[in-house]
Amino acid sequence: GQNIDQPTEMTATEGAIVQINCTYQTSGFNGLFWYQQHAGEAPTFLSYNVLDGLEEKGRFSSFLSRSKGYSYLLLKELQMKDSASYLCAVRDRFITDKLIFGTGTRLQVFP
Amino acid sequence: DTAVSQTPKYLVTQMGNDKSIKCEQNLGHDTMYWYKQDSKKFLKIMFSYNNKELIINETVPNRFSPKSPDKAHLNLHINSLELGDSAVYFCASSQDVNTGELFFGEGSRLTVL
Repeated sequence: GQNIDQPTEMTATEGAIVQINCTYQTSGFNGLFWYQQHAGEAPTFLSYNVLDGLEEKGRFSSFLSRSKGYSYLLLKELQMKDSASYLCAVRDRFITDKLIFGTGTRLQVFP
Repeated sequence: DTAVSQTPKYLVTQMGNDKSIKCEQNLGHDTMYWYKQDSKKFLKIMFSYNNKELIINETVPNRFSPKSPDKAHLNLHINSLELGDSAVYFCASSQDVNTGELFFGEGSRLTVL
């Protein structure tokens, strides 16, 4: 089976750095994704990791350790508009490729 | 032009009714999906179609029936609606089955009274 864990909520201050962790257990790991979802809107793709290490994309970076079943999303120079839910998703290929989402971490950025 | 569009955005209906949600993508993608997001914001896959063929059918009641007339469209029909069906239903598409980057529609909020 699959299991994905992330903190439910986090708060941070504008300009700060925040790290959102995700741990997963899956029978056929085939990549990890981070999505951002603003309230009342659709999720949008942020990042993809399939090999161990850090992927950087502007203010956002995502890290993966396959041996530990662990990933994090790092957001730097936080802005108010970064207040959103951040969804960790794992692609599982046990039977066929499908994206399994975690419950998401709701991040609130305060001035 | 919206890449993945779904209609209606809002749907309020009585228990026992039948309703449909339509989805269209103009990205030229091969694969389309239906996801359900409940009140706790948990996003769960329901169905996946690749080139009009069903490839993923999670444990979803038979009352839910997807239909893909062509690879740009994936509709969802729900019979005998129940209170627990209230949720936001997201349509999504991806280049192919091997791509995990999904493009989501804006969601259809279904409320069953």
